[in-house]
Amino acid sequence: AQSVTQLGSHVSVSEGALVLLRCNYSSSVPPYLFWYVQYPNQGLQLLLKYTTGATLVKGINGFEAEFKKSETSFHLTKPSAHMSDAAEYFCAVNSGGYNKLIFGAGTRLAVHP
Amino acid sequence: DARVTQTPRDKVTEMGQEVTMRCQPILGHNTVFWYRQTMKQGLELLAYFRNRAPLDDSGMPKDRFSAEMPDATLATLKIQPSEPRDSAVYFCASGLGGTSGIDEQFFGPGTRLTVL
Repeated sequence: AQSVTQLGSHVSVSEGALVLLRCNYSSSVPPYLFWYVQYPNQGLQLLLKYTTGATLVKGINGFEAEFKKSETSFHLTKPSAHMSDAAEYFCAVNSGGYNKLIFGAGTRLAVHP
Repeated sequence: DARVTQTPRDKVTEMGQEVTMRCQPILGHNTVFWYRQTMKQGLELLAYFRNRAPLDDSGMPKDRFSAEMPDATLATLKIQPSEPRDSAVYFCASGLGGTSGIDEQFFGPGTRLTVL
């Protein structure tokens, strides 16, 4: 069965600092992995996804994530945080077909001046 | 700009009342998901449909919740009777629903339900 663990329910960084949000997955089949972002009072929107091919995936707003099979990880990074990045971030893994996803518990990112 | 719409955006009701939430998926999408989000439990999958047929509703309390898709443009989630513990934000999402599993889900803005 597939599962996702996000390490750290809250992360706080300074504006301009590196953002690193951790995600580890468990999957009995080759995984498809996703990062979603949720801004206050909004639904989730896709940041990026890994399916096959290049293991470093670039997404919107300067975020990227690297799929590391040996570490079963898919950590999300951004070189320089911006105040507008403050949001909740969810890592997800596909669960079988029909695009059903298993979501992690989420990491709330705070960015301070 | 295609997007998932949900109505109402906010609903306050009293315990015991019936609540109906509606979702219009993106045209052409054939899978629809209902989620519930609370601070305590996070994001929980309640039910999902493919081509209007329910595939899995194991996350839903059967005695009071029901989900349907009367047609391809409308999905409904009903709670009867509602209880204070149902207070949450309910999200609908839709997707292309291919068997590959690589397709993303597109989320609506949510319905914030408060049961007094």
